[in-house]
Amino acid sequence: GAGVSQSPSNKVTEKGKDVELRCDPISGHTALYWYRQSLGQGLEFLIYFQGNSAPDKSGLPSDRFSAERTGGSVSTLTIQRTQQEDSAVYLCASSSHAGGMTYEQYFGPGTRLTVT
Amino acid sequence: DQQVKQNSPSLSVQEGRISILNCDYTNSMFDYFLWYKKYPAEGPTFLISISSIKDKNEDGRFTVFLNKSAKHLSLHIVPSQPGDSAVYFCAALTPGYALNFGKGTSLLVTP
Repeated sequence: GAGVSQSPSNKVTEKGKDVELRCDPISGHTALYWYRQSLGQGLEFLIYFQGNSAPDKSGLPSDRFSAERTGGSVSTLTIQRTQQEDSAVYLCASSSHAGGMTYEQYFGPGTRLTVT
Repeated sequence: DQQVKQNSPSLSVQEGRISILNCDYTNSMFDYFLWYKKYPAEGPTFLISISSIKDKNEDGRFTVFLNKSAKHLSLHIVPSQPGDSAVYFCAALTPGYALNFGKGTSLLVTP
């Protein structure tokens, strides 16, 4: 079946503009995560959605970052008033949490965001 | 504060030999660990995982070892192949189900 997809694959924006990044998780996966990877760094957790529960926003670096997940499927990560330090690869992952001790998260290809 | 540490940024191994990638963690609450492999311009791909109730998990050429008392795990690849050249990330599952990643080790397998 189809994996996690993200769009756009690349986004160049001017400092101060808003951007929206989209994630389509694997069908049937109830959990969705956003991470980002800055140059030379590991993946940094941003936000986690699980079913209809309130999202875990503990990783969002500032109030300029927000995310929604509509209908328990597609998610949009919005960055307002972008800054140069927001430049990174933004990765989305999904998982099923369906029984057993399986916690693997399946990642999309990422969106490379460059703020000029 | 980095709770999952991969202290070797890079590793070079000859084809056919064993690759050993190391990972240390500081949070004793972590009880499930995963290894991911990442090629350039692609998302990370899940490789293998281990629960803290085990000290070893094997899948084909890949074996992960966990030493809870030392808060250390390692990924062994035997035999190493050129296609294994990639960045390998160690990750710990947090109580909130997010993954806490190390900074990665870039593995180069030379023919």
